[in-house]
Amino acid sequence: NAGVMQNPRHLVRRRGQEARLRCSPMKGHSHVYWYRQLPEEGLKFMVYLQKENIIDESGMPKERFSAEFPKEGPSILRIQQVVRGDSAAYFCASSPPGAIPNTGELFFGEGSRLTVL
Amino acid sequence: AQTVTQSQPEMSVQEAETVTLSCTYDTSESDYYLFWYKQPPSRQMILVIRQEAYKQQNATENRFSVNFQKAAKSFSLKISDSQLGDAAMYFCAFEIQGAQKLVFGQGTRLTINP
Repeated sequence: NAGVMQNPRHLVRRRGQEARLRCSPMKGHSHVYWYRQLPEEGLKFMVYLQKENIIDESGMPKERFSAEFPKEGPSILRIQQVVRGDSAAYFCASSPPGAIPNTGELFFGEGSRLTVL
Repeated sequence: AQTVTQSQPEMSVQEAETVTLSCTYDTSESDYYLFWYKQPPSRQMILVIRQEAYKQQNATENRFSVNFQKAAKSFSLKISDSQLGDAAMYFCAFEIQGAQKLVFGQGTRLTINP
C-alpha cells in the first residue's frame, strides 16, 4: 500500500523557468494539501484541493503559483517564472474522504526540493 | 491569526533519558487540535501524537506524552527513554476545528547522544 508519492524528489531550475511538482495521494484518498518549507522553518500551508476543486488557496502566493487536482492523475503544483526565493521543500499530504486533518489522518509525502539557480 | 512558537531551536539528550520539547500557541478559538510531528533526515513528516483541546486528559503514545495546559496555551512533548531513532526535527502544529489546515512552529532539532 504505497504512501503519498511525490516527484521529482529534487528539481533544479534557473530563474524564469517553470517548475512542476507532482503528488499522487494514497490510494483511496481524495483530499490533497500542499505545504512549503523554507530552510530552517516549519511547513506553511499553501492550498487544499479535492478532485477537480480548489477548496482553500489562502496560502498560495497571488502570482506565479497554481495548483490542480484533476479527476484522473496526480495533483500538480506549478510555479511559473521561478525566482530564488521559491527555493524550498514542497510537501504534499493526503487524507481520505470524510476525514479531516485533526483526526490525525493526514499523510505526508517525502517532499520535493526545488532549487532555483 | 494563529501562531505556534517553539522557543528551543535545538535540544540534546543522552540516550535512555527523558527530554521535553516546548511549544506555545496563540488563538482566540476554543475548539482546536494540537499535534507533534517528527521529521527525520528522510524529511517525511510523521505524526507523533495529537491532542483535542476539549480533552483535559493528556495524550500519550508509548514513550511520547504531552503536557497540555490550555489556559497557558502550552503544549509540550515529553520523550521518555530516548532512543537514537528519535533524533529528528520536531514540529508542533495547531489546527482550528474544521479549518483543514495546519499551522506549524519553527521546529526543534533533537539530538540523541549515545
